[in-house]
Parts: sequence; C-alpha cells; structure tokens
Amino acid sequence: GQQVMQIPQYQHVQEGEDFTTYCNSSTTLSNIQWYKQRPGGHPVFLIQLVKSGEVKKQKRLTFQFGEAKKNSSLHITATQTTDVGTYFCATREGYSTLTFGKGTMLLVSP
Amino acid sequence: GAVVSQHPSRVICKSGTSVKIECRSLDFQATTMFWYRQFPKQSLMLMATSNEGSKATYEQGVEKDKFLINHASLTLSTLTVTSAHPEDSSFYICSALGTLRITEAFFGQGTRLTVV
Repeated sequence: GQQVMQIPQYQHVQEGEDFTTYCNSSTTLSNIQWYKQRPGGHPVFLIQLVKSGEVKKQKRLTFQFGEAKKNSSLHITATQTTDVGTYFCATREGYSTLTFGKGTMLLVSP
Repeated sequence: GAVVSQHPSRVICKSGTSVKIECRSLDFQATTMFWYRQFPKQSLMLMATSNEGSKATYEQGVEKDKFLINHASLTLSTLTVTSAHPEDSSFYICSALGTLRITEAFFGQGTRLTVV
C-alpha cells in the first residue's frame, strides 16, 4: 500500500510564530487528508484535498496539495496555544484503506 | 459530522483477564473499521482492519488470537484483548469509514487500558 512520510516529527514554537508540517509520498496520491489530535483526545478530521495544486484555507490554517500530488503541507500562521496537538496526514485508497503518516507534534509556548 | 462512539473510555483490569472494547458508528454505516494502538506521544499504530461480515486483516506483528476483532454489523465492531498483560496497557482507538460518499474517517474517543 501507499506510504506517507511526515516531517518534522516534533516542533516547539513560541506563540505567534508560524508552523508547517509536510507530508510526502513516493507515489502519486489520489487524495490527502489532514487530522488533528489534541493531547488526550482522538484524531479529528480537518480537510481533504484531491486536486493537483489545490490550496484550501481554514482561518489560520492553509493546506496545500502539490502539483504532482506526491506531497502536501499544512501551514499555521501565528500559532496560538489552542493549536497544540499532533497533526496527521493520511491518504485513502478505495473503500477500505486509510494510511496515516506518523504525525507532527506541535507544542506552542505562550 | 458523523459520530463514532467507543466504550469504555477507561478500563483497569487484572492481568490474565479479558477486556472488550466496543466501537459504534451512530449515524452512518461503517463499511470498514480500524483499530489502532497509541503509546504516549507516539503515532497511531494500525493493528487491524475489519470489514463487516468478514475476518479482520491484522497488521504484521499483531497477534490475532490475542486481539480478537469482530465486525458483526455495519455499526458495531469490537476488540477483545484476551489474557491481558501489563504490556498491553495502552490507548486503543477505533475509527470507521463509510462509503466513498463520506470520505473521511471518524474516530472513537479512545479507550485507556491499564492492566495491573
């Protein structure tokens, strides 16, 4: 099955700084999904991208899907303490396969 | 969004006993359910994939006789940890996929298992 590599594994920023996590695959992906898991919680779906070069925004979060559909990024502008958590990318293949990256843990200091 | 309910949220059991964890999709039909294990500050580790009415597919290294998965209906999957040992203590999370019209996965709240 497809594999997605996610970097960095961990990032610690000061509140107000920007943050970016990257997701890469050696094969072309049909879609990329992003999830957020708060400490002690469960992953929650954020967004799905399916088109080459697609860019979507949710308030301070910007999601991009590469032109070759082999990479994606999640960028947070001016982080807040509420952004703390682990961000996972994932890709779905058909009905029953959903492959997750290992996640990027974000810590934001006030 | 759709809701997946996982029960219990926390369980403490004695070593050697079995524990059953339930995962229910409340408002959609889950054609596929996944079971994950997560250690503190680590990623989701996929244990098995189950499709309704068929045997679960286990990931390499996961003992199918120890982690029994049943997906008897489109709304319920269960994970039974048999003869639990302290090393089985972990956070177990289920997630469910519907048909392709609902593309994302919905996660249960997770179960914190402590084996003493």
